[in-house]
Amino acid sequence: AQKITQTQPGMFVQEKEAVTLDCTYDTSDPSYGLFWYKQPSSGEMIFLIYQGSYDQQNATEGRYSLNFQKARKSANLVISASQLGDSAMYFCAMGRMEYGNKLVFGAGTILRVKS
Amino acid sequence: KAGVTQTPRYLIKTRGQQVTLSCSPISGHRSVSWYQQTPGQGLQFLFEYFSETQRNKGNFPGRFSGRQFSNSRSEMNVSTLELGDSALYLCASSGDRNTDTQYFGPGTRLTVL
Repeated sequence: AQKITQTQPGMFVQEKEAVTLDCTYDTSDPSYGLFWYKQPSSGEMIFLIYQGSYDQQNATEGRYSLNFQKARKSANLVISASQLGDSAMYFCAMGRMEYGNKLVFGAGTILRVKS
Repeated sequence: KAGVTQTPRYLIKTRGQQVTLSCSPISGHRSVSWYQQTPGQGLQFLFEYFSETQRNKGNFPGRFSGRQFSNSRSEMNVSTLELGDSALYLCASSGDRNTDTQYFGPGTRLTVL
């Protein structure tokens, strides 16, 4: 069975600083994808970044980068130059690439950016 | 391109009633997945439809059902509502490949009294 663990229930970061949100996963599948989503208080899930299990390079999307360490089964999200609008809940999720679209989510991390 | 839309956005029902939620995917997307989000259980996968066929199913009772139409729009139905069904129901659409990203709608917040 697949499992995602996010050990940080809440994080604070100063505006303009970088922050790392932790995510570890467990799976026996050789082919999988890792996703990060942002959920503001409005409730909508916003896709941030994707990393495939066979990707050699760490994914980057603007201020977001994914620190993928396959041997350690970790997929941490790094947000650089934090902005007040980054305050939200962040979810790490995993999908089994051979079995259609079914994501398993972690419990999430609440990020608060301080001015 | 328009995003994923869900209707209604808010719904209040009483125990024992049934409810139908609707989801319109991004144009061209044939996969629609449904998730339930509650404070206690977090985000849980309900089911996925692809080309009008259920392709994946989560671990929910038979009171939860869904369907997909030929235009890829999807509905989910919950019968005999229970208090524990109060949740945010999120719909996500994606392209044909299993590696395609799922894009979520704004959700339907269901309250069962």
